Amino acid sequence: SAVISQKPSRDICQRGTSLTIQCQVDSQVTMMFWYRQQPGQSLTLIATANQGSEATYESGFVIDKFPISRPNLTFSTLTVSNMSPEDSSIYLCSVELGGPFFGPGTRLTVL
Amino acid sequence: TQLLEQSPQFLSIQEGENLTVYCNSSSVFSSLQWYRQEPGEGPVLLVTVVTGGEVKKLKRLTFQFGDARKDSSLHITAAQPGDTGLYLCAGARMNRDDKIIFGKGTRLHILP
Repeated sequence: SAVISQKPSRDICQRGTSLTIQCQVDSQVTMMFWYRQQPGQSLTLIATANQGSEATYESGFVIDKFPISRPNLTFSTLTVSNMSPEDSSIYLCSVELGGPFFGPGTRLTVL
Repeated sequence: TQLLEQSPQFLSIQEGENLTVYCNSSSVFSSLQWYRQEPGEGPVLLVTVVTGGEVKKLKRLTFQFGDARKDSSLHITAAQPGDTGLYLCAGARMNRDDKIIFGKGTRLHILP
């Protein structure tokens, strides 16, 4: 298993602002993944973050809205830019360990 | 179109009862995972099944992968209040770059 931590655990933000979510893993991993879980919905993959290269975004997600950094093999950040109430979700980072293994998530509320 | 259908969506039963949750698809999966998620937390991986017909047990939880690897079930025996949570299935579809897709979940509430 792995220990994954995320900061912040929750935040309430104003429309039009941006929030950067940090994800730290206790071991080196090649790929880290960012998911979104909207209220009452399933988890949706936003992007895959590889160290040393640009993130790969899924259909419906773009770099301008969700810029991702992956400076080393244990850390990644996801920024939610120019937020609107529709961005209110739980944002989860994960690593692959016999299936996606998740951090505790960041609960974001946009007013 | 939901590629992984979970049923039921909601289930509220008395402590001590048995229950089964289903995860169905028309796609074939190379592996399938079950998670439990509690409010304010990330999903916690319970099990991964990879072989058609495979059965795995985790204390009072029994997981089965369908022979054709298109469906799975989670059976809980003698449910306890601590089993309350959102149960999610997820799978890596074969021949689709093994992309993981998630079901919408079954919200289970065990009444003491």
